[in-house]
Amino acid sequence: GEDVEQSLFLSVREGDSSVINCTYTDSSSTYLYWYKQEPGAGLQLLTYIFSNMDMKQDQRLTVLLNKKDKHLSLRIADTQTGDSAIYFCAESSDYKLSFGAGTTVTVRA
Amino acid sequence: SAVISQKPSRDICQRGTSLTIQCQVDSQVTMMFWYRQQPGQSLTLIATANQGSEATYESGFVIDKFPISRPNLTFSTLTVSNLSPEDSSIYLCSAAGQGAKGYTFGSGTRLTVV
Repeated sequence: GEDVEQSLFLSVREGDSSVINCTYTDSSSTYLYWYKQEPGAGLQLLTYIFSNMDMKQDQRLTVLLNKKDKHLSLRIADTQTGDSAIYFCAESSDYKLSFGAGTTVTVRA
Repeated sequence: SAVISQKPSRDICQRGTSLTIQCQVDSQVTMMFWYRQQPGQSLTLIATANQGSEATYESGFVIDKFPISRPNLTFSTLTVSNLSPEDSSIYLCSAAGQGAKGYTFGSGTRLTVV
């Protein structure tokens, strides 16, 4: 697998926007993903972006991809307490997923 | 996207024993994978479960320790053998169907070895 890096922690106030950043190394990645993991649960696919796109928006979620810098970000608008979780970015290569370490997002009132 | 039922959801096992984890997918999928998530860490791919043939293991994982079966396109098992406390982790299966949305995950099995 290739290296995928993320910041480990993010604290955000309820109602503000959250931005989670990720860098990856495999320039041949076809798709990049964001997954959410709540305590004691498996991984839930939040959104994904094809590598030839710059941006994808899905309700409160906006994904930005800078392929030149191999940088991926996830913006969550109007962050709610239910958004508290660990967020993993992942890249796909040769049908396998490589995951970052996960960013723990804590939403405070 | 496919829905995966994974069981057991958790287990506590004695060292030296084995645990078999099952994943059932509600539709036929091309590929299935097994991951390990050690406490506080990310997911590490153990192997790709191949239908009708031996699994393909990642570096650091061997068949004797992690035997995998995949008898058809909807079912796979992972056995964690000769358990030691270091095997205490969450184990997740994943299925990849067609297209980018195909990667879905089971709810995980939390294994504690005592």
